[in-house]
Amino acid sequence: NAGVTQTPKFQVLKTGQSMTLQCAQDMNHEYMSWYRQDPGMGLRLIHYSVGAGITDQGEVPNGYNVSRSTTEDFPLRLLSAAPSQTSVYFCASSRGQGGNQPQHFGDGTRLSIL
Amino acid sequence: AQSVTQPDIHITVSEGASLELRCNYSYGATPYLFWYVQSPGQGLQLLLKYFSGDTLVQGIKGFEAEFKRSQSSFNLRKPSVHWSDAAEYFCAVGPQGNKLTFGGGTRVLVKP
Repeated sequence: NAGVTQTPKFQVLKTGQSMTLQCAQDMNHEYMSWYRQDPGMGLRLIHYSVGAGITDQGEVPNGYNVSRSTTEDFPLRLLSAAPSQTSVYFCASSRGQGGNQPQHFGDGTRLSIL
Repeated sequence: AQSVTQPDIHITVSEGASLELRCNYSYGATPYLFWYVQSPGQGLQLLLKYFSGDTLVQGIKGFEAEFKRSQSSFNLRKPSVHWSDAAEYFCAVGPQGNKLTFGGGTRVLVKP
């Protein structure tokens, strides 16, 4: 029972490089989200998706792109990495949008931008 | 705008002692409230949630939380802490379960 799988677990980039953080879930969840976690700030929502083909911005979307071509996958793209994007990134999924549908989190991707 | 404040950044507690983690929120309507726990190097695991009904909710691992509307609080408690409870705890609020605003977290250290 894999749940939410994030790859890679660790990554170091140079400023200006691009990369894609992968997120896949095997629970047939409609809703998927990306958060970044920074010390003392909890998790902040970057982008989310309510289903295949539908995405929307969260609290801190600048510098990130997402797409949702399938129910299972929700990749996060950094177009031109900046040191301010050094963070731990978490992907989450849930069956529905209601409060009785809590999110399931992946183990995170630790990203450092030099 | 919704917000969550966890006033305590760190708490140290002796094994077997009781634990209470504070959470205050700001939200315009009846919120969905959650407590998550994060062990080192891991993702977040849901401990418990509240959105209606009995204001005292029970969760996993022996945790409970009480919703107090008049104080805009949702404090987490455990009567007797085990060494395995050492982790970081996050309170979250939202209109729905998947668009959450998180507090800054409280790191719990357990002394033997």
